[in-house]
Amino acid sequence: GQQLNQSPQSMFIQEGEDVSMNCTSSSIFNTWLWYKQEPGEGPVLLIALYKAGELTSNGRLTAQFGITRKDSFLNISASIPSDVGIYFCAGRKGGSEKLVFGKGMKLTVNP
Amino acid sequence: NAGVTQTPKFQVLKTGQSMTLQCAQDMNHEYMSWYRQDPGMGLRLIHYSVGAGITDQGEVPNGYNVSRSTTEDFPLRLLSAAPSQTSVYFCASSQLAGGRGTGELFFGEGSRLTVL
Repeated sequence: GQQLNQSPQSMFIQEGEDVSMNCTSSSIFNTWLWYKQEPGEGPVLLIALYKAGELTSNGRLTAQFGITRKDSFLNISASIPSDVGIYFCAGRKGGSEKLVFGKGMKLTVNP
Repeated sequence: NAGVTQTPKFQVLKTGQSMTLQCAQDMNHEYMSWYRQDPGMGLRLIHYSVGAGITDQGEVPNGYNVSRSTTEDFPLRLLSAAPSQTSVYFCASSQLAGGRGTGELFFGEGSRLTVL
């Protein structure tokens, strides 16, 4: 079964608020990826992390690769209505080509 | 550049019918995979391939077959559809991650399948 625990499962926030979500695993991963999916579309990559402790930003998004290599988090600052969607974490173990996904976090932003 | 193309986008089947979901990519990616997405379950890996002639099972392979005769194409076959296979199916491809751990997955737009 799935090996990534993603939380929270959903969030309802007001425009302008910050959002945090995280992903944990009992296994060590050497790659963490964060994706966003909008209705009717496939997931699109937001941020890729390849090194323990790495902190990477993409506009209002910031993600970190946990130093234990078993977790990662994503922050969205100053949310806007177009941030709505489902956010997925995904991880890849060393020596494996497979990408494992969390169950997703559904974000709703109220204008 | 088309990226990952899936067909059909929508399909309705009766229980027991067979069909093939097509997936093609034009990025010369070695790695291709199929996921299914169900409410509350996220994306679950069905089958994957690391190159032409090589396929392997993911988390939920039962009821599905795949083949990889070319680098570009990775069709998913349902031999005898069941209502439990009602889902949205995504094909995705990437370069091989290898020891570097890289290899960002690119997704198609999805195929919505309903089995009655």
